[in-house]
Amino acid sequence: EIVLTQSPATLSLSPGERATLSCRASQSVSNYLAWYQQKPGQAPRLLIYDVSNRATDIPDRFSGRGSGADFTLTISSLEPEDFAVYYCQQRSNWPHTFGQGTKLEIK
Amino acid sequence: EVHLVESGGDFVQPGGSLRLSCAASGFTFSNYWMNWVRQAPGKGLEWVATIKEDGSKIYYVDSVKGRFTISRDNAKNSLSLQMNSLRTDDTATYFCARGLLPYTSPNDCWGQGTLVTVSS
Repeated sequence: EIVLTQSPATLSLSPGERATLSCRASQSVSNYLAWYQQKPGQAPRLLIYDVSNRATDIPDRFSGRGSGADFTLTISSLEPEDFAVYYCQQRSNWPHTFGQGTKLEIK
Repeated sequence: EVHLVESGGDFVQPGGSLRLSCAASGFTFSNYWMNWVRQAPGKGLEWVATIKEDGSKIYYVDSVKGRFTISRDNAKNSLSLQMNSLRTDDTATYFCARGLLPYTSPNDCWGQGTLVTVSS
């Protein structure tokens, strides 16, 4: 099973700042890495798939990069609605594991 | 508009059974891989099971193999999860989620979830 480790566990930033979230895999997942956003009481929302492709209607302040086993999600300038929990997921191998999440909170 | 609506969540004792359903609308259900993903209270996401468009391929996380069965009825635009021999650690909100065409995942559309509580 591929383990995805996200860091930091919690990130405290202010609106307008840049956020960088990390997801590291226990082995290469090629480019089969996605990012989700989840707000309290809501289902997850797909942001990025295959490392760097934005999903439908996702604003361009969200970007992803990386390869192999090391990936980042960047939010260029935080909006108030961006404060949430973010998860990465790989589809390289079964089971399609998720990271444990990074909570992005308002400083 | 794409909709996924789960139902069937309930309170059940350990060892019991439950069947979850997911009604799909707004898209051609038979063209998509479908998934169940769960989230224990206050915890992260866990992939549970995946079924191919025609039901010919199925995958499970190890912890539910032999206890859970995913199935689909393309004529009724419906996805199901039969859960037997339930354990307390199966307590979670269960989400039905659509695979991003043409892939198994990631999931580009999710239902609102249905809560399963396993407790004595």
